[in-house]
Amino acid sequence: AQKVTQAQTEISVVEKEDVTLDCVYETRDTTYYLFWYKQPPSGELVFLIRRNSFDEQNEISGRYSWNFQKSTSSFNFTITASQVVDSAVYFCALRDAGGTSYGKLTFGQGTILTVHP
Amino acid sequence: EPEVTQTPSHQVTQMGQEVILRCVPISNHLYFYWYRQILGQKVEFLVSFYNNEISEKSEIFDDQFSVERPDGSNFTLKIRSTKLEDSAMYFCASSTGGLWETQYFGPGTRLLVL
Repeated sequence: AQKVTQAQTEISVVEKEDVTLDCVYETRDTTYYLFWYKQPPSGELVFLIRRNSFDEQNEISGRYSWNFQKSTSSFNFTITASQVVDSAVYFCALRDAGGTSYGKLTFGQGTILTVHP
Repeated sequence: EPEVTQTPSHQVTQMGQEVILRCVPISNHLYFYWYRQILGQKVEFLVSFYNNEISEKSEIFDDQFSVERPDGSNFTLKIRSTKLEDSAMYFCASSTGGLWETQYFGPGTRLLVL
């Protein structure tokens, strides 16, 4: 069965600090996809990034970067020079390619990030 | 930029009443999903829908739930007889298809059952 664990329930930082959100996943499939979504206080879910299991190349997008390590089943997310607008709940999600799955996402518990001015 | 829309944004209902939550997926998308998020908890998959039929459903999606695509644009979730524990945020999502494709979420409907 799939499982996503975000061990950090809440993180609080001061603006301009770097912060890393951890995500550890479990799946029996060799082909799978990982995602990060952001949920700001307004409540919607905003897609940030996706990664497939064959692509371990790290990615950087502006102040955001992602570190995918298959050996440790982790897909961590780092925000550099955090800003108050980064305050949100961040969800890591997994989708496997096996069996009868039609693409359902399995989400982690989420990490509440608060960035103080 | 195209987006998924949901109505209503908030709904309050009495226990035992039927509710219909509406979604308009992105127009060229073929796969549709409903998820729910109980306050303070993680997002949970309910059901996926493709080619006018349910393709997968979770244990949560029992007989009181149903989905429908009544026309070419809307995708609805019906809860036949609401219970207190159905209070949650319900998200609709859609994708173009294929396991690689990203699911784009609507803004959600917050349902409160009294």
